[in-house]
Formats: sequence, C-alpha cells, structure tokens
Amino acid sequence: DGGITQSPKYLFRKEGQNVTLSCEQNLNHDAMYWYRQDPGQGLRLIYYSQIVNDFQKGDIAEGYSVSREKKESFPLTVTSAQKNPTAFYLCASKGLGGEKLFFGSGTQLSVL
Amino acid sequence: DAKTTQPPSMDCAEGRAANLPCNHSTISGNEYVYWYRQIHSQGPQYIIHGLKNNETNEMASLIITEDRKSSTLILPHATLRDTAVYYCIVRVGEAAGNKLTFGGGTRVLVKP
Repeated sequence: DGGITQSPKYLFRKEGQNVTLSCEQNLNHDAMYWYRQDPGQGLRLIYYSQIVNDFQKGDIAEGYSVSREKKESFPLTVTSAQKNPTAFYLCASKGLGGEKLFFGSGTQLSVL
Repeated sequence: DAKTTQPPSMDCAEGRAANLPCNHSTISGNEYVYWYRQIHSQGPQYIIHGLKNNETNEMASLIITEDRKSSTLILPHATLRDTAVYYCIVRVGEAAGNKLTFGGGTRVLVKP
C-alpha cells in the first residue's frame, strides 16, 4: 500500500542525547514536512523540503536538524540543544502540483 | 500565508449538521482555503479545499463568503466518529512555494 511511515511510534531520549525520527514515503512525493504538536495545541512547522538535497527552516527549527538525501526519506534529528523535546512529531508529504498533505501516524517523543 | 482564526471548541448533536467557522480576513486573491481534521493521536486527514466557489465532496461542504474573508465547513450529518480537531489553513498555490502552517484548530465534540 502507498503511504507515509513514521518510526518508531514511541521514543525516549536521555538528557544530552541526540535522537533521530524516521519518515519514509512511497508516494513519489516531492515535498516533505515535519511538524511538532504539544498536548492540546495545533501543529507547528519545524522543517520542510521541496526537493532532494534542499530544505528550509519552518517556524521552530532551533534544536532540530534534517537531511533529504533521498526523495522518499526525510529524517528529523532532535539534538541536545532542544531543551523541551517532549511532543508528538508528525511527518507529511505532498506531490508536486498536488493539493493534499498526507500525514504519517506520528512519533511520541518523551524525555527520561 | 494568511493567518486564520477559529473558535477553540464547539459541541454538536449526533445526526445534526455541524457548521465550523473560519476567519481569514487577510487572505490574498491567490490563496486557497483548506480544511483538515485530526482524530486523537493520529495524523491529520485532508477534508476539502476551495478558492472562491463553494465545494462539496463525500465528507463535507465548504462555503466561502463572496469577499473570501471567511469560510464555513459543514458536516451535514455529524456522527460520533466526527469528533476531532478541525484545522482551517490558507495557502498560495504551487508557484509560491510549499510552506504550510497550521493554527490551533477547533476541537469538535459530537454528542449522542
């Protein structure tokens, strides 16, 4: 089935540790996005990428990094510089000229 | 992208129509109105979008005012499964890039 897959579903981070969240899509979409969602809040844009080897900062990029080496993959690294990383992270993709965003099922990140 | 304003929450009765308002008073002529919904702990799901004409699909209807400064999403016969957070966003078309931002949304509770 075509879709967008996030892993893991739950992730725990220790103090000072970097962690990487995976996002893979087999929809042949050009654009990919990462959003952060805090409890009871809306989605805030972290990073987005429109083509391979290119990405732009969203509204809350500090403490995060991304790469886009392959069209189907857009991993997000939560670095130790992100002091409040506990949140629900959502990845999304959209085709060139497409109207709809397709979302993954999310990763819940918590700090130990 | 233009900013949107939605009520934080609303209740509606099962089987009745649910009318969800959205203000986007700074919308530009080339910006589309999109609606998504997010059921608890899942990724958002596309519902409908429009530019200036009213739109209808199998999920909902979208009514956009003539001045395009506001719109209403209509769920014609709300069911308990329609309980979710509904997001209204506006964005320009492909030529202006792919940055997509979400606000806080409206938390809709459908009651029996």
